[in-house]
Amino acid sequence: EVQLVQSGGGLVQPGGSLRLSCEASGFMITTYWMTWVRQAPGKGLEWVATMNKNGVDKDYVDSVKGRFTISRDSAQNSLYLQMNNLRAEDTAMYYCASQFGSPVHYWGQGNLVTVSS
Amino acid sequence: DIQMTQSPSAMSASVGDRVTITCRASQGFGNYIAWFQQKPGKVPQRLIYLTSNLQGGVPSRFSGSGSGTEFTLTISSLQPEDFATYYCLQHNSFPLTFGQGTRLEIK
Repeated sequence: EVQLVQSGGGLVQPGGSLRLSCEASGFMITTYWMTWVRQAPGKGLEWVATMNKNGVDKDYVDSVKGRFTISRDSAQNSLYLQMNNLRAEDTAMYYCASQFGSPVHYWGQGNLVTVSS
Repeated sequence: DIQMTQSPSAMSASVGDRVTITCRASQGFGNYIAWFQQKPGKVPQRLIYLTSNLQGGVPSRFSGSGSGTEFTLTISSLQPEDFATYYCLQHNSFPLTFGQGTRLEIK
């Protein structure tokens, strides 16, 4: 079965760190651009970060630059989002997603990140 | 940055109605637009990719069109399961940007 399975997330204090994981099965993440998207409670979708299929080129929304890092492990066929210096406004459901312009496209099930003291 | 202005933000319609949702871009670009449907508490589902390509498994009553700065999602005949929130996404250039969403409710 082709799917993206997410793990990580949870409750963290402001200034803390978390790492989200997104493991692919049924396809290789190295063949697609991979993206993280988030959705704050009751709000719309927001793009967070994308990694090119080459694994080198990465882009981030301004609000997370310098704090979040997108990465992957080809051997584990997994995508990651390392989130440091977390703020209350980072509280959201985080989704990984595969290439938006490809005929095949997948989303993970989502991970809730809550930043609160 | 490309801003995507989606309209309307909310609307009510009846089963069988034809519905059009529009996204206007702050600058023109190619066909790198996707449309998503999201139901409460669920993962977004892609309906349309590259402006007008129907995602596999999505009913043919959904269609997408547009070019330049104006893009539309049309539902030809609303069904009960179509009441949800819809988003456009431009992935032509970074930062990628979503529209604000359209909440489609039952009249």
